Amino acid sequence: DQQVKQNSPSLSVQEGRISILNCDYTNSMFDYFLWYKKYPAEGPTFLISISSIKDKNEDGRFTVFLNKSAKHLSLHIVPSQPGDSAVYFCAAFLSGSARQLTFGSGTQLTVLP
Amino acid sequence: EAQVTQNPRYLITVTGKKLTVTCSQNMNHEYMSWYRQDPGLGLRQIYYSMNVEVTDKGDVPEGYKVSRKEKRNFPLILESPSPNQTSLYFCASSQTSLGRYNEQFFGPGTRLTVL
Repeated sequence: DQQVKQNSPSLSVQEGRISILNCDYTNSMFDYFLWYKKYPAEGPTFLISISSIKDKNEDGRFTVFLNKSAKHLSLHIVPSQPGDSAVYFCAAFLSGSARQLTFGSGTQLTVLP
Repeated sequence: EAQVTQNPRYLITVTGKKLTVTCSQNMNHEYMSWYRQDPGLGLRQIYYSMNVEVTDKGDVPEGYKVSRKEKRNFPLILESPSPNQTSLYFCASSQTSLGRYNEQFFGPGTRLTVL
């Protein structure tokens, strides 16, 4: 039973346009949500996070939005650049859980020049 | 440089031949973890360790063993590998806190093929 879901395995956008990656979750007790980025032949690296008490967090070109009532979060990248082409994993953290993070299945973003 | 290292990076082996994938971190992190990445399934936790001599099962522990004798090292052991353990494996580490999230740092991955 996947508690964190990314329903789009892939997404292609034109350079300069907005990329929107989506993530849904089922456990309303999660209290942090994170996005990790992964290039081929490398490990995932942390990109941006949001606490469950917030609805938006922005860091440069990256913004994460959280809709708790819909149990949905999204990552916006504006403007998209070819170097953003990577697999993006959504992850959720539950306080008090020793297992730390629950990951989604990932979305391959391709930014076309 | 703060990092998590894994060895080997690539490994092809045969069914039943015991193998160990090593993981080491130089950040003095208490928490270490192993994940496997499979298409359509994302990253799934195999085992984790809260500190030295403290380990526990993640979501997919069957067929794997771990040990944590030193803080910096967390090897993953496959006693009798099978083809369904063909996967991309990641080791990760972080500070331990059950109350708030601490960023996890991942190693570069080990691609394992079991024939």
